Amino acid sequence: QLQLQESGPGLVKPSETLSLTCTVSGGSISSSSYYWGWIRQPPGKGLEWIGSIYYSGSTYYNPSLKSRVTISVDTSKNQFSLKLSSVTAADTAVYYCARLRYYYDSSGYYDWYFDLWGRGTLVTVSS
Amino acid sequence: SSELTQDPAVSVALGQTVRITCQGDSLRSYYASWYQQKPGQAPVLVIYGKNNRPSGIPDRFSGSSSGNTASLTITGAQAEDEADYYCNSRDSSGNHLVWVFGGGTKLTVL
Repeated sequence: QLQLQESGPGLVKPSETLSLTCTVSGGSISSSSYYWGWIRQPPGKGLEWIGSIYYSGSTYYNPSLKSRVTISVDTSKNQFSLKLSSVTAADTAVYYCARLRYYYDSSGYYDWYFDLWGRGTLVTVSS
Repeated sequence: SSELTQDPAVSVALGQTVRITCQGDSLRSYYASWYQQKPGQAPVLVIYGKNNRPSGIPDRFSGSSSGNTASLTITGAQAEDEADYYCNSRDSSGNHLVWVFGGGTKLTVL
């Protein structure tokens, strides 16, 4: 069964770069049916999509974070990574990695949805 | 980019039916997917597409859509359904591979 696991520092200083890695186990990250994404959740608040990546390296970012976000993929390690630069206390959150699965129906409608999630990792921005 | 709006909190009596709604312009173009999140846990997909449930999700969960509003209905709510629920869809304002979440609805089962 495919699993996702986030890893990285739990504490980052203000103005520095937050770096996280998501390791995919039990399946290949190089499948054409999936995108891979990062979502975050500040304490006590809702979910915010950060960005997504295809195994080929194509990326899509939340416009509100685009200037600070870089998502990359390493197919040889079955991992994808998140870098968020110039962090502030507002970036303190639980960061989740997730799989976006391709879906289509008989009417020709197609879409993607987040079908599998990692457990999440808390990143605190503090000096 | 698009926004999705949810009521912050909804309550339902045990065994009764509850509808959680999500409004946004993107829902005129895309179906919403719905996620259940219990305290301290990662979100879990409960509805996707027109009205599809992943394996293991009880059939008391169903989804529907009309105009700019998507709904998640729980028919015969159980105590274990108490959780936060989030809707999600793609952005329809030109960034077709950008996703947005609603602010979430806290469901209380009385």
